[in-house]
Parts: sequence; structure tokens; C-alpha cells
Amino acid sequence: GESVGLHLPTLSVQEGDNSIINCAYSNSASDYFIWYKQESGKGPQFIIDIRSNMDKRQGQRVTVLLNKTVKHLSLQIAATQPGDSAVYFCAESSTGTASKLTFGTGTRLQVTL
Amino acid sequence: GAGVSQSPSNKVTEKGKDVELRCDPISGHTALYWYRQSLGQGLEFLIYFQGNSAPDKSGLPSDRFSAERTGGSVSTLTIQRTQQEDSAVYLCASSPEQGSGETQYFGPGTRLLVL
Repeated sequence: GESVGLHLPTLSVQEGDNSIINCAYSNSASDYFIWYKQESGKGPQFIIDIRSNMDKRQGQRVTVLLNKTVKHLSLQIAATQPGDSAVYFCAESSTGTASKLTFGTGTRLQVTL
Repeated sequence: GAGVSQSPSNKVTEKGKDVELRCDPISGHTALYWYRQSLGQGLEFLIYFQGNSAPDKSGLPSDRFSAERTGGSVSTLTIQRTQQEDSAVYLCASSPEQGSGETQYFGPGTRLLVL
């Protein structure tokens, strides 16, 4: 979802459960998508990426799904851990590379014990 | 090896003053990016350097903002006559050529506060 000002959308998940974070994009020319994790006081950290010729890609405990028809991207985190607590951003590019990214406003993931 | 470093980590300045923010990319990375992150927001693209090519300045918000990259390594982002709306975290990233997100590394950022 989108946020206004300081009020990031927040997803609270219990430790061990699966998390799903969603992102909508508007540029139909976007051909490359990335999910980042940002912890407080640090720069964004790459999680996983996907190109527009794919609709699913899996990493270690993470899966990214791309639905180009409705311009929607999601990040699934399996067996969520306390260390997963952070702000998650999606980003997209129409250059096929990470050279000029447009970022979403982010979702805060809170993992409860 | 060392990651991307930025200095200063925090900068407080008065409205109207000029500031310089520095980025030291990872050695050997030819691509360098500057982004701005306002409080509670996503990152906003500012400028992109790739090797000896002319930089892509399309994200710079006004002519008060400029950046240079000397010798294909260190980069300096300069903001002239700072305004309160310039307050944000300025993030630098580097990658080998036009890298994928996996090979692009961000620095910790410079937190700028304009009073």
C-alpha cells in the first residue's frame, strides 16, 4: 500500500509465520524489479530481484511474485524471524538494470515473539 | 573488503549555507548513484555516474544540487543555499558497470538537517 508522510503501512507477523508484503507500480515499461530491506540507520540491502519475463523467483526463505497484468509485486518471507523486522521497499526500473530505480514508499514489518 | 562509505554521517547546517557530502564507492565499481530519502519515504533518484560517460542528472531537484565524480572514484554531492526541505538522508550506492540490484551496494547515508 501507499503511505502518507511518516505513517508507513505496518505488517505485524508472529515469529514463524509467513509474511506477504505487497507493492503496486504504475509504469507499464518497467522491466526489472527489486526488493530491498532497510534496517534503522542503514542503507537498503538487496533481497531479491525479478525481471519482467518471469512471474516468480525464489531465494532463501523469500519468494517474489510479479503480476504484470495488474502491475503488482509481492514479497513472501517464509518462517519469519525477529531479524526480518525492518522496512521493506520495492523498486522498479525500465532500463533492465539497477541504474535508475523508482522506489515505493515502504512497508514496515514487525515480527512479534 | 570495505563497503561504500559516506561522510559525514550527520550534518546540521543553517538555511542558506552550502554543504558537501562525500561518497567513497567500492574499489573497482564503475557505476555510482545518489539517492535522497526523506523521513518515512522511499528513495528518490538524484544522479547516476557510469564510467567516463556523461552523468544522468535527471533526478536532481533544482540547480542548487550538483555532483561530481573525480577520477572515476570518489563522488561529492553539493547542495548550495540549503533550504529546510533539503533535510533528508542522502544515500550513495555503487555497482560494477550497470549492475543488477544484487551487485549494487548502498552506503549508510548522510543525515542532513537544515535549520
